[in-house]
Amino acid sequence: DAKTTQPPSMDCAEGRAANLPCNHSTISGNEYVYWYRQIHSQGPQYIIHGLKNNETNEMASLIITEDRKSSTLILPHATLRDTAVYYCTSNDYKLSFGAGTTVTVRA
Amino acid sequence: GAVVSQHPSRVICKSGTSVKIECRSLDFQATTMFWYRQFPKQSLMLMATSNEGSKATYEQGVEKDKFLINHASLTLSTLTVTSAHPEDSSFYICSAKEGQHHYGYTFGSGTRLTVV
Repeated sequence: DAKTTQPPSMDCAEGRAANLPCNHSTISGNEYVYWYRQIHSQGPQYIIHGLKNNETNEMASLIITEDRKSSTLILPHATLRDTAVYYCTSNDYKLSFGAGTTVTVRA
Repeated sequence: GAVVSQHPSRVICKSGTSVKIECRSLDFQATTMFWYRQFPKQSLMLMATSNEGSKATYEQGVEKDKFLINHASLTLSTLTVTSAHPEDSSFYICSAKEGQHHYGYTFGSGTRLTVV
C-alpha cells in the first residue's frame, strides 16, 4: 500500500510555478521521498528525491517539512510539456505508487 | 544516467499464446528489478520483485504460474505472460535501481500488450 496521498488533479498556467503537495505522514525516518512523473503511455521519469533537506535540480525543487510528514514539489516555470501524472512515493524496498496528481498545464 | 531498456514496446498476441517481455539495465548492474502493470487511467500496480539468481517475489493476487519471471543475469530480467487472455491486455513496465541513490529507480519505457 502506498504511504502517500496526493490531490487527484491540478491545473497550472504555462510559465507559472506549479506547487504539488504530498502527504507522507507514515514514512519512516530513513525513507527517502521520491517524485516521478509519467507522461501518457511512457514509463515513469525520475524527478527528484530527498530525505530531510530541501533539494533542487534542473527539473524541480523539493521542499520537505521539518517533521517529514509532507512535501511539495515545485516546478518553477511550468511548460505544456510538463503535463503529466506526478507521483510522490517513498523508497521502502518495494517502490509502490498511489494514484498521483494529474497536472494539466494550460497555455 | 542509468538507462533501462524494455522490449518490445508493443505486442499483439492471440489468446492462449505466451509473450515474453525483456527488461535490460544498459549501463549498470541491477540485482533487483521490479515489474508493474498499469491499466488505463489507473496507477502502476507492483506485480513482482525480480531477484538475480533467485526466485521472484510476487505481490498478493498475482499468479506466479501465469506471470513467469526470470532474472538470470545482473542486467536482464524477463516477464513471460503465459496462456494470455484478453484481460491480460495492459501496459507492463519494469524498473531497476542503480547502486547509487542519485537517480533513484529507473523505469523502462513500457510494453503495451494486447491479447486478441
